[in-house]
Amino acid sequence: AQTVTQSQPEMSVQEAETVTLSCTYDTSESDYYLFWYKQPPSRQMILVIRQEAYKQQNATENRFSVNFQKAAKSFSLKISDSQLGDAAMYFCVYGGATNKLIFGTGTLLAVQP
Amino acid sequence: GAVVSQHPSWVICKSGTSVKIECRSLDFQATTMFWYRQFPKQSLMLMATSNEGSKATYEQGVEKDKFLINHASLTLSTLTVTSAHPEDSSFYICSLQRYWGLAGGSQNNEQFFGPGTRLTVL
Repeated sequence: AQTVTQSQPEMSVQEAETVTLSCTYDTSESDYYLFWYKQPPSRQMILVIRQEAYKQQNATENRFSVNFQKAAKSFSLKISDSQLGDAAMYFCVYGGATNKLIFGTGTLLAVQP
Repeated sequence: GAVVSQHPSWVICKSGTSVKIECRSLDFQATTMFWYRQFPKQSLMLMATSNEGSKATYEQGVEKDKFLINHASLTLSTLTVTSAHPEDSSFYICSLQRYWGLAGGSQNNEQFFGPGTRLTVL
């Protein structure tokens, strides 16, 4: 069975600084997707970024980028120029052949003004 | 993206009553919908997968007779919590996967989430 591990329950970053959230996963599948979802205080789940496992190039979405290391089964999220609106719970998520999503335990990110 | 609505956003009920939560896709057809439960400061726990026109598939440990799921159309799935008790108090979230059709394709595993429903059972 697939698992997703987020080892940082909480993180804090100063506004305008850069922060990296860690995620590791375990799978025997060769074809899968990885996601970072954000859940702000409103509790609405929002897709931040998506990575296809077959792509070697790291995905980037504006201030958000990932470091995808397939061999190491690592998928970290880097947030550059952090903004107050980035404060949220961030979930690392695995999507494989079953169509079900497997969520990590989440990292609560605080942004200090 | 896709727009998903849930109704109600917040419901308070007495112990022993049943509560129905609706999940609607507003701008595309969804053959598959998912229902999650989230306790405070915890991750999402998948309860069941709902397929249009067929019975839902429940995750291990989820009582199918207590959490009734009906996926009556490509745009609506409902979750009914029957004989609710205080331990059923939680945040319930639905999500949809895009429909593989002529008009467009799936973003493969990407799910679009509703805003959630907070259930409080007194």
